[in-house]
Amino acid sequence: NAGVTQTPKFRVLKTGQSMTLLCAQDMNHEYMYWYRQDPGMGLRLIHYSVGEGTTAKGEVPDGYNVSRLKKQNFLLGLESAAPSQTSVYFCASTAHVGEAKNIQYFGAGTRLSVL
Amino acid sequence: GIQVEQSPPDLILQEGANSTLRCNFSDSVNNLQWFHQNPWGQLINLFYIPSGTKQNGRLSATTVATERYSLLYISSSQTTDSGVYFCAVEREDSSYKLIFGSGTRLLVRP
Repeated sequence: NAGVTQTPKFRVLKTGQSMTLLCAQDMNHEYMYWYRQDPGMGLRLIHYSVGEGTTAKGEVPDGYNVSRLKKQNFLLGLESAAPSQTSVYFCASTAHVGEAKNIQYFGAGTRLSVL
Repeated sequence: GIQVEQSPPDLILQEGANSTLRCNFSDSVNNLQWFHQNPWGQLINLFYIPSGTKQNGRLSATTVATERYSLLYISSSQTTDSGVYFCAVEREDSSYKLIFGSGTRLLVRP
């Protein structure tokens, strides 16, 4: 049982390049989230999904797109990377049912630098 | 939107000391969680505590929802407690979205 797995762990991009971050969870969770964490700050929600085939905007969605084609995977895309998107990206998931509902489980993070 | 304020922003303790971390929030919430981010960046859920008191080993948490604050107690601190502690809340009318505070950075010295 791996929990929440993020790939890649590190990436360096040039301004204008595109990339996709992958989040996979093996806990059969319905809800998945993408956050970014900037130095000295808490996490801010980029996009989230309440089930397969659904996505919704969070606090800071501009410049990002997401897709949830399979329940276990949540993809975060940067179409044209900008230096302001240099950050650590975290994926999380939660069951929202049962005893452990509302508890979010996090991946290890992806450190992205945009030059 | 809802504001989440944590205090103190930084805390240095000697191993074995106790501490209290505070989280104030500006609106009614139906979900409050405490997280620990270790020095390697991993985020671990400590408590789901929208109200009441919970204990887990040396850690305990209390949320007084009517007064819009939560406290995290760390007793007999250890060097492995070092890291950043985040409080995160979900508004009553929100769609499962957590709003994080800016954290309390804790350093426990041996």
